[in-house]
Amino acid sequence: AQSVSQHNHHVILSEAASLELGCNYSYGGTVNLFWYVQYPGQHLQLLLKYFSGDPLVKGIKGFEAEFIKSKFSFNLRKPSVQWSDTAEYFCAVNALPSGGYNKLIFGAGTRLAVHP
Amino acid sequence: GAVVSQHPSRVICKSGTSVKIECRSLDFQATTMFWYRQFPKQSLMLMATSNEGSKATYEQGVEKDKFLINHASLTLSTLTVTSAHPEDSSFYICSASQTGGEQYFGPGTRLTVT
Repeated sequence: AQSVSQHNHHVILSEAASLELGCNYSYGGTVNLFWYVQYPGQHLQLLLKYFSGDPLVKGIKGFEAEFIKSKFSFNLRKPSVQWSDTAEYFCAVNALPSGGYNKLIFGAGTRLAVHP
Repeated sequence: GAVVSQHPSRVICKSGTSVKIECRSLDFQATTMFWYRQFPKQSLMLMATSNEGSKATYEQGVEKDKFLINHASLTLSTLTVTSAHPEDSSFYICSASQTGGEQYFGPGTRLTVT
């Protein structure tokens, strides 16, 4: 069965520090990959996605992620975090060979706390 | 961006009763709606996918007779937890999308069964 693992459950950083959140998936076929963010008290929002093409994708608010097929990874990065990045981050994989947004499988989430 | 609402945001019910949760797409027509369940400190688990006017497709291990899903219109889907028990207490989240499009998530409903 497909699965998504996020290595860090809780990350604490100071402002201006660099961020990298790990995400690995298990699925042998074509994948679509996503990172969602949930700010305190708000609903899930799409941060960025990879469907095809350039494996380095850029999302909103300065976030980017790199798809490394050989490592089954899709790590999220930001060179300099801000206090407002405090949130929970979820990696997700589309489980259908046909791709798209349907049938997402989520990782357990990483809770990021950024201190001023 | 597209807005999805859920009602109620919190509900407490007694064991053995049924509770209905609504999911509405406020500014777009949702051909597909998804229902997820989230346990504390765990990921969202997809329960079922519903297309407007069709029966929902349930994920393995989800009891379709216990979690009744209705998607009668392009802006409304409901999840009814029948004969609820304490183990059904959880955070239920819906999302909505147009055909093949991005999923937009609702704020979630916290269900507590006493």
